[in-house]
Amino acid sequence: GAVVSQHPSWVICKSGTSVKIECRSLDFQATTMFWYRQFPKQSLMLMATSNEGSKATYEQGVEKDKFLINHASLTLSTLTVTSAHPEDSSFYICSANLGTADYQPQHFGDGTRLSIL
Amino acid sequence: AQKITQTQPGMFVQEKEAVTLDCTYDTSDQSYGLFWYKQPSSGEMIFLIYQGSYDEQNATEGRYSLNFQKARKSANLVISASQLGDSAMYFCAMGPNAGKSTFGDGTTLTVKP
Repeated sequence: GAVVSQHPSWVICKSGTSVKIECRSLDFQATTMFWYRQFPKQSLMLMATSNEGSKATYEQGVEKDKFLINHASLTLSTLTVTSAHPEDSSFYICSANLGTADYQPQHFGDGTRLSIL
Repeated sequence: AQKITQTQPGMFVQEKEAVTLDCTYDTSDQSYGLFWYKQPSSGEMIFLIYQGSYDEQNATEGRYSLNFQKARKSANLVISASQLGDSAMYFCAMGPNAGKSTFGDGTTLTVKP
């Protein structure tokens, strides 16, 4: 079964709205989670690393004030797209590593399709 | 820095035949892991198979096998007896690098009936 749960799976909203996406680890604690953005037929682009209890680490070129990340507990990380505009429309997906051993595969949520009108 | 190269944007295979998806990588690390993920049109990322850099035997998981050639820095995915449900985008990845994984651009596989 799924070890990472992501909600919502689909969001359609008006321009200017802020949208929150949740990523939960099920039955395990994730001190680190990752947020990706993906355009159609393209690879995953890492946006940020979410660290429990501390600030997220953003990749170069990602606007921190636009994409707010909060990792307040060991099982929940949230991504808030603030004042979303049509160019923010994309597929967003989170992941976590199961366990602390090296070379663990990432376990992904099912993703969120965001459409801004 | 780590880099993954997948040179096949799209591949076609006849149902029940085998197919090889290419992946080459570059890293200065001595120890690393190589992964393959499947992404169907519905969007979820499904972990398929893993190969450690020090593993001497090629990894296998059911119909999936990883053809690991360390000297050539390649980690090709072989899918045997293709099924219609194998049609998806496939990503090669390596890690960890500061905890993060590096993904290739992906290969879209279409299985023909």
